[in-house]
Amino acid sequence: DTGVSQNPRHKITKRGQNVTFRCDPISEHNRLYWYRQTLGQGPEFLTYFQNEAQLEKSRLLSDRFSAERPKGSFSTLEIQRTEQGDSAMYLCASSPRGEGNTEAFFGQGTRLTVV
Amino acid sequence: QKEVEQDPGPLSVPEGAIVSLNCTYSNSAFQYFMWYRQYSRKGPELLMYTYSSGNKEDGRFTAQVDKSSKYISLFIRDSQPSDSATYLCAMINTNAGKSTFGDGTTLTVKP
Repeated sequence: DTGVSQNPRHKITKRGQNVTFRCDPISEHNRLYWYRQTLGQGPEFLTYFQNEAQLEKSRLLSDRFSAERPKGSFSTLEIQRTEQGDSAMYLCASSPRGEGNTEAFFGQGTRLTVV
Repeated sequence: QKEVEQDPGPLSVPEGAIVSLNCTYSNSAFQYFMWYRQYSRKGPELLMYTYSSGNKEDGRFTAQVDKSSKYISLFIRDSQPSDSATYLCAMINTNAGKSTFGDGTTLTVKP
């Protein structure tokens, strides 16, 4: 399967714990995005990488959130001191080089539940 | 007010019906317009994207953009039960690099 891969698919954690999610984009896609989606809502943009450079971060990305993309390949999203409001589906998408990056391919997401 | 507003639904139609899904937007800088399909507990899947005003057809799907009215639509002809999903519109300001999504319309096609 050469699609966008996200791990784990599900994560249940206690409030206050740290969690880390991984995203493996489609090979050679230089753009990588993280979104968060809650029930009944569309995905909300969190952050965006072009290669290893983090080009934009949403105001939604508080100081408890950090994302990295070392060497411009896979990416990790870490949430520190999780809160119940962090419960959501975290989606990763990748896109090849090109104007408008219209062909964004999404992974299946990591569903986080904070109890 | 959100930058992208999508008809909330839910929408229930009989098999074979023509379905119309609609979004409006307020940001004139949006240049690319996409429609995604999302099945329950899955990631969004890109269906179509358009750049200019007008219609774009792909099989049973037609995407329509009216930039002057800031209005986009997705039409599904001869709808099938397998089309039952949540449909998300999304838009990009190419200078921003991110997509702004509507909240989705859930469609059920009944056999």
